[in-house]
Amino acid sequence: GQQVMQIPQYQHVQEGEDFTTYCNSSTTLSNIQWYKQRPGGHPVFLIQLVKSGEVKKQKRLTFQFGEAKKNSSLHITATQTTDVGTYFCAVGSLGNEKLTFGTGTRLTIIP
Amino acid sequence: NAGVTQTPKFQVLKTGQSMTLQCAQDMNHEYMSWYRQDPGMGLRLIHYSVGAGITDQGEVPNGYNVSRSTTEDFPLRLLSAAPSQTSVYFCASSYWGQGDTEAFFGQGTRLTVV
Repeated sequence: GQQVMQIPQYQHVQEGEDFTTYCNSSTTLSNIQWYKQRPGGHPVFLIQLVKSGEVKKQKRLTFQFGEAKKNSSLHITATQTTDVGTYFCAVGSLGNEKLTFGTGTRLTIIP
Repeated sequence: NAGVTQTPKFQVLKTGQSMTLQCAQDMNHEYMSWYRQDPGMGLRLIHYSVGAGITDQGEVPNGYNVSRSTTEDFPLRLLSAAPSQTSVYFCASSYWGQGDTEAFFGQGTRLTVV
């Protein structure tokens, strides 16, 4: 199956600083999805990328899928306290009944 | 719509006991899945279903059984609980379609086996 490595495992930033998490695979990925999990909460879908070199933006969040479809990144500009949580990348099957998750990056914000 | 509902939210079991984690969705999704989440390991797939009457194993199926008699419900059964099954369990539902497709997760069940 498709496996993904995610780095860093933890990131502590001052409020207002930028944050980036990376997802890497040794094989070509059919798609990459990003989920956010607040402390004590459940994963919530953020975005799905399927095309080589694809870039999508959601307000302060920018998602990229590499040209070779082997890596992806999530960048948050000017972090806010509401960004706290763990961000996971995942590779989904056609119907998303099988998701392979990265190990996640836990983001904490220093006010 | 309630989305994906899991019960119970918390459970403590003794080693060797059995129990069923309930999961129900009201979005008429074809696909349902169970994951466990352990510290530092992300979420791992236990079992999944692509429709009523159809189930299959995921990455970590040992010690767990599932069945899917209706589209709405997908219970997870622990046959004989072990401390290694202490974890947070998430149920998810999803569908195939054009454009972005996503998995919807329940609130989770935090299980402790002593």
